[in-house]
Amino acid sequence: DQQVKQNSPSLSVQEGRISILNCDYTNSMFDYFLWYKKYPAEGPTFLISISSIKDKNEDGRFTVFLNKSAKHLSLHIVPSQPGDSAVYFCAASASSGNTPLVFGKGTRLSVIA
Amino acid sequence: ETGVTQTPRHLVMGMTNKKSLKCEQHLGHNAMYWYKQSAKKPLELMFVYSLEERVENNSVPSRFSPECPNSSHLFLHLHTLQPEDSALYLCASSRSMKETQYFGPGTRLLVL
Repeated sequence: DQQVKQNSPSLSVQEGRISILNCDYTNSMFDYFLWYKKYPAEGPTFLISISSIKDKNEDGRFTVFLNKSAKHLSLHIVPSQPGDSAVYFCAASASSGNTPLVFGKGTRLSVIA
Repeated sequence: ETGVTQTPRHLVMGMTNKKSLKCEQHLGHNAMYWYKQSAKKPLELMFVYSLEERVENNSVPSRFSPECPNSSHLFLHLHTLQPEDSALYLCASSRSMKETQYFGPGTRLLVL
């Protein structure tokens, strides 16, 4: 049973426009959420995170929004650049218990010049 | 620089070989992880070590054997692998199991 779901395997966006990547989760105990970016044949790199006490966190062109009631988070990239083309993974963890991050399957973003 | 290094970056081995992958972290973290990523598949968590104790083993075949001699080093010993084991093997570390994980660059493994 997937606790973290990224239902869109791929997304294409034009350069300069907004990219919106979505993630849903089922475990109500999750209270810390992260986004990672991964280029081919490289390890994922941490992008941005959000704690459940907030509903928005912004870092430059990247903003993560959290909707706890809907168990949904999204990553907004604006403006999108060709270098943003990568696979984006959503991950979540719970401060209670002793389990590591749970990752989604990823969404491949292609930014077209 | 992520502070997590992996060697070798590329490895080709036959099915009868024994090899080891090495991971080292210089971040003072207490948890370390091995992941497998096959082509067009999601990240698969293989092993988790916390404070040098193995805490998770996700039904990984015994031909993969992890070793964590100290909090900075993690090994993955490989023995009699199959061609379907060809993948990118990623190491990660974090301050605790619930916190942000930082990944190494991975070892691209090809089993012939």
